[in-house]
Amino acid sequence: AQSVTQLGSHVSVSEGALVLLRCNYSSSVPPYLFWYVQYPNQGLQLLLKYTTGATLVKGINGFEAEFKKSETSFHLTKPSAHMSDAAEYFCAVSAGGRRALTFGSGTRLQVQP
Amino acid sequence: NAGVTQTPKFQVLKTGQSMTLQCAQDMNHEYMSWYRQDPGMGLRLIHYSVGAGITDQGEVPNGYNVSRSTTEDFPLRLLSAAPSQTSVYFCASTSDRGSYEQYFGPGTRLTVT
Repeated sequence: AQSVTQLGSHVSVSEGALVLLRCNYSSSVPPYLFWYVQYPNQGLQLLLKYTTGATLVKGINGFEAEFKKSETSFHLTKPSAHMSDAAEYFCAVSAGGRRALTFGSGTRLQVQP
Repeated sequence: NAGVTQTPKFQVLKTGQSMTLQCAQDMNHEYMSWYRQDPGMGLRLIHYSVGAGITDQGEVPNGYNVSRSTTEDFPLRLLSAAPSQTSVYFCASTSDRGSYEQYFGPGTRLTVT
């Protein structure tokens, strides 16, 4: 079985500040890891993914995440927040050949001017 | 490519009514899934399919039925709607090759009164 824990259901940062959204996963086999973003009343958009290889993954809109196997983490970061980053962010895992995803409960990012 | 399409976008049902949420994809993906999204709970897997004629249950299958007669279509049936099924429903597809990236439809917002 696999699971995802996102620490902090709400995160608030100032415009220009570092964004850090935390994700820890549990999987008995090597996982594939994903971050999705959802803007209000919209569907899900893939930000970035880790499959194999380089553990630091760069995505769209200046986001990146680092896969740390020893810590079972896949935290999402962005050096400088923009107002347009305000959205809900979901971490997800897929493992063991099952193509369906297991999602975390989501983190709502608020960006203050 | 239209990607993943879902109809309807919005639906209101009375308790006990039945309906089918439609999902179609034009990417020739073998894998398709249905998720429901509820506040504070992320997305949870309802049913998934690994190819035409093959379906399996996810985390929250009760009250829902699926079938997969073609590669393109994966309808979700609510047999007897209940207020607990008020949610936003997302369909997704993914290829049987590559990184397991899920392509999501725009969602159906369902209210059961």
